[in-house]
Amino acid sequence: AQSVTQLGSHVSVSEGALVLLRCNYSSSVPPYLFWYVQYPNQGLQLLLKYTTGATLVKGINGFEAEFKKSETSFHLTKPSAHMSDAAEYFCAVSEQGAQKLVFGQGTRLTINP
Amino acid sequence: EAQVTQNPRYLITVTGKKLTVTCSQNMNHEYMSWYRQDPGLGLRQIYYSMNVEVTDKGDVPEGYKVSRKEKRNFPLILESPSPNQTSLYFCASRSGGTPYNEQFFGPGTRLTVL
Repeated sequence: AQSVTQLGSHVSVSEGALVLLRCNYSSSVPPYLFWYVQYPNQGLQLLLKYTTGATLVKGINGFEAEFKKSETSFHLTKPSAHMSDAAEYFCAVSEQGAQKLVFGQGTRLTINP
Repeated sequence: EAQVTQNPRYLITVTGKKLTVTCSQNMNHEYMSWYRQDPGLGLRQIYYSMNVEVTDKGDVPEGYKVSRKEKRNFPLILESPSPNQTSLYFCASRSGGTPYNEQFFGPGTRLTVL
């Protein structure tokens, strides 16, 4: 069965600092991996996704993530945090043939001025 | 504008009073789904639909019903709400049957059951 673990329910960084949000997954077959962002009082929107091919995936707003099969990880990074990045971030996994996304618990990102 | 809409956005009700949360999408998507979001648990799937008249249970279907009579609409029905159904609910849609396509989410419905 698929599962996702996000390490750290809250992450706080200074403006301009590196953002690193951790995600580990469990899947019995090659997974499809996603990062979604939820701004306050809004629905989720897709940041980036990995399906096949290149393991370093670039998304919107300067975010990227690297699929590491050996570590079963899909960590999200951004070199320089901006105040507008403050939000909740969800990692999710799906599998070929499955008809659902399995979400992690979410990580709330706070940016300090 | 391509979007998923939900109504109402906020709802306070009492135990046992039937309610319906509507969901509509204008992207001609085949797949639609309902999730609930609870603190520390992320989003969990309640029901999904692959197309008109085709629905199936997700991970937490107890206490909920759905129907898919038209492609654009996917209402969530709580026939006898209970306080443990107090949550934030999201409807989502995506094109096709492939799970790697992006899901588009509605703005959410915050439900409180007293």
